[in-house]
Amino acid sequence: DGGITQSPKYLFRKEGQNVTLSCEQNLNHDAMYWYRQDPGQGLRLIYYSQIVNDFQKGDIAEGYSVSREKKESFPLTVTSAQKNPTAFYLCASSIGYRGTNQPQHFGDGTRLSIL
Amino acid sequence: DQQVKQNSPSLSVQEGRISILNCDYTNSMFDYFLWYKKYPAEGPTFLISISSIKDKNEDGRFTVFLNKSAKHLSLHIVPSQPGDSAVYFCAASWQGGSEKLVFGKGTKLTVNP
Repeated sequence: DGGITQSPKYLFRKEGQNVTLSCEQNLNHDAMYWYRQDPGQGLRLIYYSQIVNDFQKGDIAEGYSVSREKKESFPLTVTSAQKNPTAFYLCASSIGYRGTNQPQHFGDGTRLSIL
Repeated sequence: DQQVKQNSPSLSVQEGRISILNCDYTNSMFDYFLWYKKYPAEGPTFLISISSIKDKNEDGRFTVFLNKSAKHLSLHIVPSQPGDSAVYFCAASWQGGSEKLVFGKGTKLTVNP
């Protein structure tokens, strides 16, 4: 089955600690995205990558970092600089051809909480 | 500044009736619009989309209408079923926007048996 796998489903972080959220896709999609959802809010874009070895900041990139060393993988690191990291994190991917409107498809998310 | 607005946080309808979810946008550059359905603790599921060159798109029980002059779109679900109960997000993007989606805050739909 093709899809997007996020792990872990629940994650706890201590103050001052960095944590990395995993996102893997086997859809052969070029583009991948990370969003954050807070209660009662829409999804806000953290980082996105249109191709391997390239990524761009989204609207709320401060305190986060990413890498895109493989087409299938787009891990997100929540650093200690992110002052309010408690949220539901969603990874998405899309075909990514420029000039073509294509929907993004999402994983099932990781809920991050601070201990 | 919210570029995509869903002004109704919640909507309740009876099973078998029509559900109409509304979305307004402010950025005239948007040319592709999507609706996603989301259950708690799960990722959003893509439902239906519409390009700005159209004013209507249908897929089974779901129809999306786009009124570009009013910068308004709506999702119609007919007939509504209890399994449709979820949060619905409207999203928009534009060519040249690197396929970034801008999301509304969502409308929680409850379909009562």
